[in-house]
Formats: sequence, structure tokens, C-alpha cells
Amino acid sequence: KNEVEQSPQNLTAQEGEFITINCSYSVGISALHWLQQHPGGGIVSLFMLSSGKKKHGRLIATINIQEKHSSLHITASHPRDSAVYICAVRENSGGSNYKLTFGKGTLLTVNP
Amino acid sequence: SQTIHQWPATLVQPVGSPLSLECTVEGTSNPNLYWYRQAAGRGLQLLFYSVGIGQISSEVPQNLSASRPQDRQFILSSKKLLLSDSGFYLCAWSMREQFFGPGTRLTVL
Repeated sequence: KNEVEQSPQNLTAQEGEFITINCSYSVGISALHWLQQHPGGGIVSLFMLSSGKKKHGRLIATINIQEKHSSLHITASHPRDSAVYICAVRENSGGSNYKLTFGKGTLLTVNP
Repeated sequence: SQTIHQWPATLVQPVGSPLSLECTVEGTSNPNLYWYRQAAGRGLQLLFYSVGIGQISSEVPQNLSASRPQDRQFILSSKKLLLSDSGFYLCAWSMREQFFGPGTRLTVL
């Protein structure tokens, strides 16, 4: 079973700062997700990665398959970025089932 | 486009009472469906998944059960709730990637 570790657990930043959240996993995967969960609880999928790098607005996600590591970066952070960011991985188990293993999340607070 | 609905959004139930949470998906057919739980201070945990009507796989032993009576309907149930069943319950569906519903926050008192 995959172990998914995120760091840091909690992160406080000032508006405008560059933010990095890290995720490492123990077993080979077919895909990695970065998810955002706001205080109300709803989850939004930010990225799905299997290699390389993806960018969407101020968010950038990278993955290094050999090192079993991914990072989520937020440039020019804003208070509305405050949320829990969750890393989740899908193992290389084959088949159509899309079972995910989740990290415990990183609570990001961006102060004005 | 595809949409996933969950209801109710919040629920407060006494210990020992029954539970029924419903999830429906629109805009796709024969999706894989999932129930997750997020207990306070913990990460999301997969409870059940289904690859078709009437097919349910359980990931962890627990006080809950799931059913899939129709292609795009997934129900999470309990006959008698425990305090430890409190948490945030998320339904999800997948084809090539996974999409999450808005969730139900359950408090058992």
C-alpha cells in the first residue's frame, strides 16, 4: 500500500509570497492529483499529473517519477488561496478502478 | 458536462439511528463510483467503490454499507450509527480521472 506524505502540515504566508507544498509517495503510481478543499469541505481537483509539469494560472505542479515526489507551487499568493491542499496518488494496479490514496493535507493560510 | 450531486449537505443524527446518504451522477454512463470519509484531523479514506450496478467492494470493515441500485446512483447506509461515524463523506466518480461531489457533513451525537 502506498504511503503518501505531505509537508508541511501547516503553512502561513503573507499575501504575495511564493508557496511550495511537497508530496512524496512510496510505490510507483500511474497518476498524482493535487486537490483543494475549502472550509466548507467541497473538493476541487487542481491537477492530475503523470509526468513533468503543469501550470494553471498562478498554480504550478511538478512531479519527479524517479524520486517519487511532487510539488505544488503558488505564485503571488492571495488570501483566497487559503485552503487545505491534498495530494492523492493512483497506483499502477491496472484495470479501470481509480482508487486513490490520500495525504493528510496541508493547511495553507495566506494573510493580507 | 458531468455533474455529481450529494444530499443532504449536512446531517445531525443521534447514536443508534439509521443513515442514508445519496449520490447521483449526471452526464455520463457506467462510471466507477466511490464513497470516501474524512474523519476529524485525518485524511480521506476510501470506504466503498463500485464498478457497476449491484457491484460493491468494501475497503475497510465498518458499520456502514453501500448499494448501487442504478447506474448513476450510489447510496451509503447504516442501520445504527456510532459516534465514530461522524465525519465528512464524499462521493466521487471516475472515468480517466476522478471527480468529487460536494460532500455531506455528518455529526453523530
